[in-house]
Amino acid sequence: GAGVSQSPSNKVTEKGKDVELRCDPISGHTALYWYRQSLGQGLEFLIYFQGNSAPDKSGLPSDRFSAERTGGSVSTLTIQRTQQEDSAVYLCASSLWGLNEKLFFGSGTQLSVL
Amino acid sequence: GENVEQHPSTLSVQEGDSAVIKCTYSDSASNYFPWYKQELGKRPQLIIDIRSNVGEKKDQRIAVTLNKTAKHFSLHITETQPEDSAVYFCAAQRDNDMRFGAGTRLTVKP
Repeated sequence: GAGVSQSPSNKVTEKGKDVELRCDPISGHTALYWYRQSLGQGLEFLIYFQGNSAPDKSGLPSDRFSAERTGGSVSTLTIQRTQQEDSAVYLCASSLWGLNEKLFFGSGTQLSVL
Repeated sequence: GENVEQHPSTLSVQEGDSAVIKCTYSDSASNYFPWYKQELGKRPQLIIDIRSNVGEKKDQRIAVTLNKTAKHFSLHITETQPEDSAVYFCAAQRDNDMRFGAGTRLTVKP
């Protein structure tokens, strides 16, 4: 595809359920980031993948959050036992090498936990 | 990790005036400083960036300055137009770690 693709674009779930968010980065991009944007807030770093290196998970807010990246391409962000405070837009971004270069953002997944 | 602070959180200017947004960072090893613009309901997009070996960079009405000693950098928009209204994010990167400021909501009044 031409850009970073995220799915679903919107997800409504009940408190306590698990959700999976998907990110398809631009083909060939080795770096992939997940950020969370709460209403009217900034971009909160969650996790970063670079090639085959161990991911930087330092931004994950709790052990209910996990992410994986299969084959160096598609990434899924999983939130277990969702809470209302998890409601936010989850943005994925990718770049070619991850160093000193432009990030290409997806359009995000709007997660609403009822 | 890196901590980026951004001010002001909101900024309202009259069309044609200048707008300045300031950011500070904590990690002296950070060496790349991009600025992103996010229009309502859209994804963030890069508008300008600066590397640590440069003190200033300009692109038409947009300029960015960097003071490495003080660990702060600023975005300057001159001759503002209504289409400049958006949320602007600064960021600082060390190695592969990119951290963003909390954003500035800029409103340009016609």
